Amino acid sequence: DIVLTQSPGTLSLSPGERATLSCRASQSVGSTYLAWYQQRPGQAPRLLIYGTSNRATGIPDRFSGSVSGTDFTLTISRLEPEDFAVYFCHQYGSSPWTFGQGTKVEIK
Amino acid sequence: QVQLLQSGAEVKKPGASVKVSCKTSGYTFTGYYIHWVRRAPGQGLEWMGRINCYTGGINYAPKFQARVTMTRDTSITTTYMELSGLTSDDTAVYFCAREMKVSGQTAFDSWGQGTQVTVSS
Repeated sequence: DIVLTQSPGTLSLSPGERATLSCRASQSVGSTYLAWYQQRPGQAPRLLIYGTSNRATGIPDRFSGSVSGTDFTLTISRLEPEDFAVYFCHQYGSSPWTFGQGTKVEIK
Repeated sequence: QVQLLQSGAEVKKPGASVKVSCKTSGYTFTGYYIHWVRRAPGQGLEWMGRINCYTGGINYAPKFQARVTMTRDTSITTTYMELSGLTSDDTAVYFCAREMKVSGQTAFDSWGQGTQVTVSS
């Protein structure tokens, strides 16, 4: 199984700051088979990014995704109050589909 | 609009089975796969498997292969996930999610609200 390792576990930032979240794959997942989700407490996950860098419908452009080799990155350019949540990466290039353990973005 | 509505919370004893439903609306049911994902307390998301809502074809994660069954009823646009041999480690929120229909992309673009399953003696 492909293991996705997210870092950091927790990111403490202030509104307006830039957030950079990392997701490293244990082996190649293909550069276009990686998604990012946001999950707020008590809610279902929400798709933010698919195909490494494509924003899902309705997702603001402050969210962006990129890749370098097996290192994937989600960047939130300027944190809004509603962005404080847990973020998961997800690979679907190889079955079984797997997720990272999550990065919590909390208010500093 | 696309909606996935799951059944309510369940409390089960160890060794029992649980069956969770996912009623969909707002799109052509048979045109998509539905996946099941769970999140245990303090853990990340865990993929359990998927069902092709047209053919009924199944792919299960190896971890759950022996004790999960996914089915669908096209007449009521509903999918089901049944997990047997429950232990306390199965205490989690279970989600159904729709696989997106973009060429080559199988991320999940719509999710159910989640069903809490608690296993306790």
